[in-house]
Amino acid sequence: GENVEQHPSTLSVQEGDSAVIKCTYSDSASNYFPWYKQELGKGPQLIIDIRSNVGEKKDQRIAVTLNKTAKHFSLHITETQPEDSAVYFCAATSTGANNLFFGTGTRLTVIP
Amino acid sequence: DTEVTQTPKHLVMGMTNKKSLKCEQHMGHRAMYWYKQKAKKPPELMFVYSYEKLSINESVPSRFSPECPNSSLLNLHLHALQPEDSALYLCASSLNGGATNEKLFFGSGTQLSVL
Repeated sequence: GENVEQHPSTLSVQEGDSAVIKCTYSDSASNYFPWYKQELGKGPQLIIDIRSNVGEKKDQRIAVTLNKTAKHFSLHITETQPEDSAVYFCAATSTGANNLFFGTGTRLTVIP
Repeated sequence: DTEVTQTPKHLVMGMTNKKSLKCEQHMGHRAMYWYKQKAKKPPELMFVYSYEKLSINESVPSRFSPECPNSSLLNLHLHALQPEDSALYLCASSLNGGATNEKLFFGSGTQLSVL
């Protein structure tokens, strides 16, 4: 099955700086890579996703890049704000798979 | 309405109790999911309902019993749970029949404590 590794496990940045979270996956058949943000006391919320036919996707301050050859994808948050503080999970799956495979999570803290 | 609503938000139960968790969505989604999340861990898939039929059971113990009365509602019946079952139980939904490569919408979860 798919194995998704995520780094770092914790990340602290100053407000206004950028944050980068990296994930690697093992199954070359994986073709869908969502990122979820989970705030304290809430369920995960999808913030951005990318499919394998695209190398990069951007939505305002958030961007995701995908390198299929190297089997890794990254989340980039620019101009971080205190409300970006949360746990972020990457995930990977493939068409026809019966599960969404999550990374182990990154706790991001943005220091005002 | 773009929400998945879960009740109750918190639940404390003894090992001999029977309780139920409820989940509701009115987005017209045809797939609904139960996930279990332990502290500082990612969500783990338990069950998937696709078009109101159980399509995936990830080898979950029989003390957890899911039910999908209609396309908008999902229940999880709990009986004879163990303390290690204490966790955040998340409900999610997606538009189509449970294809994993589509967007999941999660509720806020039920924080369950088993004493």
